[in-house]
Amino acid sequence: AQSVAQPEDQVNVAEGNPLTVKCTYSVSGNPYLFWYVQYPNRGLQFLLKYITGDNLVKGSYGFEAEFNKSQTSFHLKKPSALVSDSALYFCAVRDGTGTASKLTFGTGTRLQVTL
Amino acid sequence: NAGVTQTPKFQVLKTGQSMTLQCAQDMNHNSMYWYRQDPGMGLRLIYYSASEGTTDKGEVPNGYNVSRLNKREFSLRLESAAPSQTSVYFCASNFGGTYTDTQYFGPGTRLTVL
Repeated sequence: AQSVAQPEDQVNVAEGNPLTVKCTYSVSGNPYLFWYVQYPNRGLQFLLKYITGDNLVKGSYGFEAEFNKSQTSFHLKKPSALVSDSALYFCAVRDGTGTASKLTFGTGTRLQVTL
Repeated sequence: NAGVTQTPKFQVLKTGQSMTLQCAQDMNHNSMYWYRQDPGMGLRLIYYSASEGTTDKGEVPNGYNVSRLNKREFSLRLESAAPSQTSVYFCASNFGGTYTDTQYFGPGTRLTVL
């Protein structure tokens, strides 16, 4: 069975600094990886996904993620953090079986950006 | 275009009561999903419906039932609520069937069982 791990419960960064939110995965077969963001009292919003191709994936709100097959990682990055980026971030992997695109989520990482 | 809508937004139940959470999507998606979100555990799949007329169990189906009423609507029922079912419930949908497909989420229902 596939799984993802987010090793950090919380990441703190100052506004203007680069940020990284870590994710590692375990799958049999090709990985199909996603990042979602959840703002307080809201549903999840899609940020970006890796299916195939370039290892650097660009997404919404200036976020990007780097796929590394040898390290089985898919870390989320942003060159310059904003206070408004403060939210809960989830990494997810698509279940490779069946007709439904089921996702398995990590436990989430809370990003806190301060002035 | 409302996307994925859920009702109610909040609900408080007593142990043993029943209720149905409603979900609807207007994106002509084939697949729909119900998740629960608990602190420190991420989102866990309860049930899903790959297409109209089909439903399947996810990771944590015990204590729940679902109905895919039509292509737009997918409801989640708690027959006899328990405190362990206190959680935030999210419905999601997508076209399904491909590896590139993205799930779209509703705003959630916050359920408290006393």
